[in-house]
Amino acid sequence: AQKVTQAQTEISVVEKEDVTLDCVYETRDTTYYLFWYKQPPSGELVFLIRRNSFDEQNEISGRYSWNFQKSTSSFNFTITASQVVDSAVYFCALSEAKMAQKLVFGQGTRLTINP
Amino acid sequence: ETGVTQTPRHLVMGMTNKKSLKCEQHLGHNAMYWYKQSAKKPLELMFVYNFKEQTENNSVPSRFSPECPNSSHLFLHLHTLQPEDSALYLCASSQDKGGYNEQFFGPGTRLTVL
Repeated sequence: AQKVTQAQTEISVVEKEDVTLDCVYETRDTTYYLFWYKQPPSGELVFLIRRNSFDEQNEISGRYSWNFQKSTSSFNFTITASQVVDSAVYFCALSEAKMAQKLVFGQGTRLTINP
Repeated sequence: ETGVTQTPRHLVMGMTNKKSLKCEQHLGHNAMYWYKQSAKKPLELMFVYNFKEQTENNSVPSRFSPECPNSSHLFLHLHTLQPEDSALYLCASSQDKGGYNEQFFGPGTRLTVL
């Protein structure tokens, strides 16, 4: 069965620091998809990125970067030069190709950026 | 209106009440979802609808009854709920089937069962 683990329950850093959110996944499927979502205090989950299992290329989008490593089953998310507006709960999620619409989420990491 | 909207945003109900949650998506998607987010568990998928047909029921108790009259609207009818059903209920939509189509979420309905 698929599983996503976000071991960091809460992280608190000072503004402008870099911070990495960890995500480890388990799946028996060879084709799967990984996602990161952000949940600000308003409640809605905001889609950040999707990665396919056959594409291990890392991605950078502004201050955000993602490191996908199949060898360690990890899909970590780094925020560079953090800002107060980055404060939110961040969720990593996985779906397998054979049940593609079933997103399995990790517990989430609450990130607080202090001014 | 854009994206995925949900009403009401907050709901307090007694265990004997009957209420409904509404979700509407303005993205032209054809798949819609209900999720439950409670304090003690990760986000849990409840139901999936594709082209108005229910394709997934994740062992949800019958006191939760979904309805999808068309691809843009999704309801969750609630009756005789329990206090442990208090949670944030999130609606989402996506285009077609396939995990490569990301799901877009609404702001949720914060439900409190007394």
